[in-house]
Amino acid sequence: DTGVSQDPRHKITKRGQNVTFRCDPISEHNRLYWYRQTLGQGPEFLTYFQNEAQLEKSRLLSDRFSAERPKGSFSTLEIQRTEQGDSAMYLCASSLRQLKETQYFGPGTRLLVL
Amino acid sequence: GENVEQHPSTLSVQEGDSAVIKCTYSDSASNYFPWYKQELGKRPQLIIDIRSNVGEKKDQRIAVTLNKTAKHFSLHITETQPEDSAVYFCAAGSQDSGGSNYKLTFGKGTLLTVNP
Repeated sequence: DTGVSQDPRHKITKRGQNVTFRCDPISEHNRLYWYRQTLGQGPEFLTYFQNEAQLEKSRLLSDRFSAERPKGSFSTLEIQRTEQGDSAMYLCASSLRQLKETQYFGPGTRLLVL
Repeated sequence: GENVEQHPSTLSVQEGDSAVIKCTYSDSASNYFPWYKQELGKRPQLIIDIRSNVGEKKDQRIAVTLNKTAKHFSLHITETQPEDSAVYFCAAGSQDSGGSNYKLTFGKGTLLTVNP
């Protein structure tokens, strides 16, 4: 599969624990996006990377959230001190330099905070 | 910021009928309008998109129309089949001030059910 991949696909954690998700974009895609999707809603933008630079963060991204893309390839999203309200599907998407508006999504990581 | 409204939230049609889903947006700077199909437990998949320099685009049984003046765009699916059953999301996108990011704002989705 040469599409966007995410790991893990599912994560169950207890409130207060830290979790980290990984996203591997399509090869040669220099732009990478993180979204959050809750039940019955469309994806909501969290943050965006161009190569290794994090260029924009949504107000949805509280101080407990941090994202990195150290070598401009894969990215990680960490949530510290998880809360029940963090339960959601976390989606990653990537796009090409030449077609920057066309975003391709990964399968997502479904997080459940107990 | 941008706000995208999508209607209806659910749509049930008979196999072979047409389905229409409508979206409105608020930011006149938006110039890119993709539609995604999401089956249960799967990733959103891009099915068609349109840029603001055209009014209509068609790909086999799927078409999208755009009215920039009224700030609305629609997805049309003809000759629907049971495998078209899924949640469909519209989105509106615009470049940030630096010209590097194309931020997408999504509607809440439409659950389409095609009955055999």
